[in-house]
Amino acid sequence: SAVISQKPSRDICQRGTSLTIQCQVDSQVTMMFWYRQQPGQSLTLIATANQGSEATYESGFVIDKFPISRPNLTFSTLTVSNMSPEDSSIYLCSVSAGLAEISTDTQYFGPGTRLTVL
Amino acid sequence: QKEVEQNSGPLSVPEGAIASLNCTYSDRGSQSFFWYRQYSGKSPELIMSIYSNGDKEDGRFTAQLNKASQYVSLLIRDSQPSDSATYLCAVNTGGFKTIFGAGTRLFVKA
Repeated sequence: SAVISQKPSRDICQRGTSLTIQCQVDSQVTMMFWYRQQPGQSLTLIATANQGSEATYESGFVIDKFPISRPNLTFSTLTVSNMSPEDSSIYLCSVSAGLAEISTDTQYFGPGTRLTVL
Repeated sequence: QKEVEQNSGPLSVPEGAIASLNCTYSDRGSQSFFWYRQYSGKSPELIMSIYSNGDKEDGRFTAQLNKASQYVSLLIRDSQPSDSATYLCAVNTGGFKTIFGAGTRLFVKA
């Protein structure tokens, strides 16, 4: 499995500002995913990020609010824009399908970024 | 109808007992099934994957799949207090998208 790191691990932000979360993987992977997990809730997929193409957003999430970059096969960023207290959540990066793997369906998660918006 | 359903719990079992966690899914074309464990404040970690009908054992964990009934379960034998966590069932219907259930909270009482 891949080793995934996220930065920052946590942050407290003011309403109206933006935060960019970084996700770094120690090996090249095909698929990267961004999830949100609110307290006591399960995972909600925000978007899927492929290298070299625009991210695919799930219903209820838009690029203007959650712009994503995927400049190479080991790195992605998620920006939470114009934040409000409702954006307070844990944001998780996930990867699947290393380039050498046949299976594309197993996902592994980064440690998460805990965001609090005041 | 939710695509992956789990009883939210909490499920409470005494130490040493068998914990049984259940999951149903709605897409009959689902191909891959996973159980993740998530400790409070931590990210999910993969416990087991299962792809064909029947049982798959790994240490104290056994995953069971019944595609005809659209049912997946996870048995934890000799439950330990360290098994106390939320267990997420996840289903892949093909391609890259995996659907996660809401999770079942498990408490193992010492």
